[in-house]
Amino acid sequence: AQKVTQAQTEISVVEKEDVTLDCVYETRDTTYYLFWYKQPPSGELVFLIRRNSFDEQNEISGRYSWNFQKSTSSFNFTITASQVVDSAVYFCALTAPEFAGSARQLTFGSGTQLTVLP
Amino acid sequence: DGGITQSPKYLFRKEGQNVTLSCEQNLNHDAMYWYRQDPGQGLRLIYYSQIVNDFQKGDIAEGYSVSREKKESFPLTVTSAQKNPTAFYLCASSPGTENSPLHFGNGTRLTVT
Repeated sequence: AQKVTQAQTEISVVEKEDVTLDCVYETRDTTYYLFWYKQPPSGELVFLIRRNSFDEQNEISGRYSWNFQKSTSSFNFTITASQVVDSAVYFCALTAPEFAGSARQLTFGSGTQLTVLP
Repeated sequence: DGGITQSPKYLFRKEGQNVTLSCEQNLNHDAMYWYRQDPGQGLRLIYYSQIVNDFQKGDIAEGYSVSREKKESFPLTVTSAQKNPTAFYLCASSPGTENSPLHFGNGTRLTVT
């Protein structure tokens, strides 16, 4: 069974602060993919990043960075110099290719509501 | 611009009535999905379809039905058998290749009273 835990239900920061969103996952598979999605107030989920289990390099994209650590089963997301427009719900998700092309194994965490105050 | 269109954005129904949520995509994606989102519970898969005229149940399919007569369309019917239908419903699509990211619509918020 797969499980994704986002222990932080809500986080509030003041603009320009750095913030890290935690994601811890559980899977018995050795090959798997991890995702982060952003859900702004408009409702649709926006894909941010996909990482496979064999690529442990951290990734940086502008103010966003991701820290993947297999040893602790974590895939944390950091926003540097946060902005009001970063306010959204952020979801971490996990999928294992046991069923190739199938959505059945895509497991979402419960999400973290990030509020960036001006 | 390509994308996924869900309509309507807000929907109100009386208990006991069936209601159909629309989802259309022009991304030429093979796979389409319906998720339900409740506060604090993340997204749960209702139904998915990887090809026209074929679909499979997700984790919470009871009380829902779907059809996939066209590649572009994947409507979801919330039946009177669904015990707690009030929720936010999200439609998604993907090329269908292994582990490709999902593209989501803006969602439909259904309220049943």
